[in-house]
Amino acid sequence: DVKVTQSSRYLVKRTGEKVFLECVQDMDHENMFWYRQDPGLGLRLIYFSYDVKMKEKGDIPEGYSVSREKKERFSLILESASTNQTSMYLCASSTAGQGNQPQHFGDGTRLSIL
Amino acid sequence: TQLLEQSPQFLSIQEGENLTVYCNSSSVFSSLQWYRQEPGEGPVLLVTVVTGGEVKKLKRLTFQFGDARKDSSLHITAAQPGDTGLYLCAGVRSNYQLIWGAGTKLIIKP
Repeated sequence: DVKVTQSSRYLVKRTGEKVFLECVQDMDHENMFWYRQDPGLGLRLIYFSYDVKMKEKGDIPEGYSVSREKKERFSLILESASTNQTSMYLCASSTAGQGNQPQHFGDGTRLSIL
Repeated sequence: TQLLEQSPQFLSIQEGENLTVYCNSSSVFSSLQWYRQEPGEGPVLLVTVVTGGEVKKLKRLTFQFGDARKDSSLHITAAQPGDTGLYLCAGVRSNYQLIWGAGTKLIIKP
């Protein structure tokens, strides 16, 4: 079974802090994704990566950056956390291909910015 | 921007009833995926529909892709409490990215 592990289930940080969310997958997947999930808005893509050191902006990249130095690890960075970044953050991975590949998700990190 | 409208947003019904969740768009998708998410967990893929008009069954769940590949439905027969969860549809728009519906929160009362 594919396992996607997010480093923290719950995280509380203060406004202005630099926040790191880590994600590791164990199935050698090429693609990795970071989403945020808010009630009534579904999943919104922040960034994705299709290879090591490669990244592309999703729909809401402002205030975030990412790092993919190794194939199995994809990090999301909040450069200067703000209260409107309080949310559930989900990491996912998938194989490369024609787009039908399922995305495999971690259990999420519930981040609160005070 | 492609949008995927999912309805209803919330549904609470008694065990044994039937229900249908809809996913609609003005855009054509190459395929569409349905996921279920339980509290405290990430979404898990239920099914992918690829061909216009395709119908797939997963026990009491029936998934249909519209003929024009712009819409999809999920029908649950004789719902059970174990069906409770958040159901999400996602349209495939490129090799990497999905467009997500807002989700249907389903509660099945015993």
